[in-house]
Amino acid sequence: GAVVSQHPSRVICKSGTSVKIECRSLDFQATTMFWYRQFPKQSLMLMATSNEGSKATYEQGVEKDKFLINHASLTLSTLTVTSAHPEDSSFYICSARLLAGNEQFFGPGTRLTVL
Amino acid sequence: GQQVMQIPQYQHVQEGEDFTTYCNSSTTLSNIQWYKQRPGGHPVFLIQLVKSGEVKKQKRLTFQFGEAKKNSSLHITATQTTDVGTYFCAGDAGNNRKLIWGLGTSLAVNP
Repeated sequence: GAVVSQHPSRVICKSGTSVKIECRSLDFQATTMFWYRQFPKQSLMLMATSNEGSKATYEQGVEKDKFLINHASLTLSTLTVTSAHPEDSSFYICSARLLAGNEQFFGPGTRLTVL
Repeated sequence: GQQVMQIPQYQHVQEGEDFTTYCNSSTTLSNIQWYKQRPGGHPVFLIQLVKSGEVKKQKRLTFQFGEAKKNSSLHITATQTTDVGTYFCAGDAGNNRKLIWGLGTSLAVNP
């Protein structure tokens, strides 16, 4: 149980385009999902906390108009990188938490490359 | 702000040697969690410690939570090549339930 999927796993796009990443909890409902960014050989950087039915809470320094988050259902959250630039290239990982629990279950991640 | 320091950043051991990574929080935690990320993979939850002074074991892995609930350690006995990866601690301060992540310790094991 507690499986999280993420799609796509890898995307290459041109500078200026927008990219949508989906995060789904497959066998449980998640009122809260988290979006992280990870650079090579570095730690996880929390970008935002996504709450079902309400606005996401962004961490300091993360542009909410650049990284649009929509958590429309208890099993799906999406992250849209708008007008992507090469510096947005990174590994984006989502995680979800059970309603009654603390541990986070991670998706497999999306590797974004912006040319 | 709240911080979780983790050391060492890297550790290179011979197979069979022991390994320990340490985490220290600037604030008291309600719980601390440990995750493992294999190269090219995503973090996988290992364990959660909640009680002051708690010690938990998973086969060759021993996890400890300090009495003050501000520090924690993960000790691996007799490392194997399958232990390779980055081990992260993540502290939950309990206020808004987001985790404060350590920088991770990357473990390399020579066969």
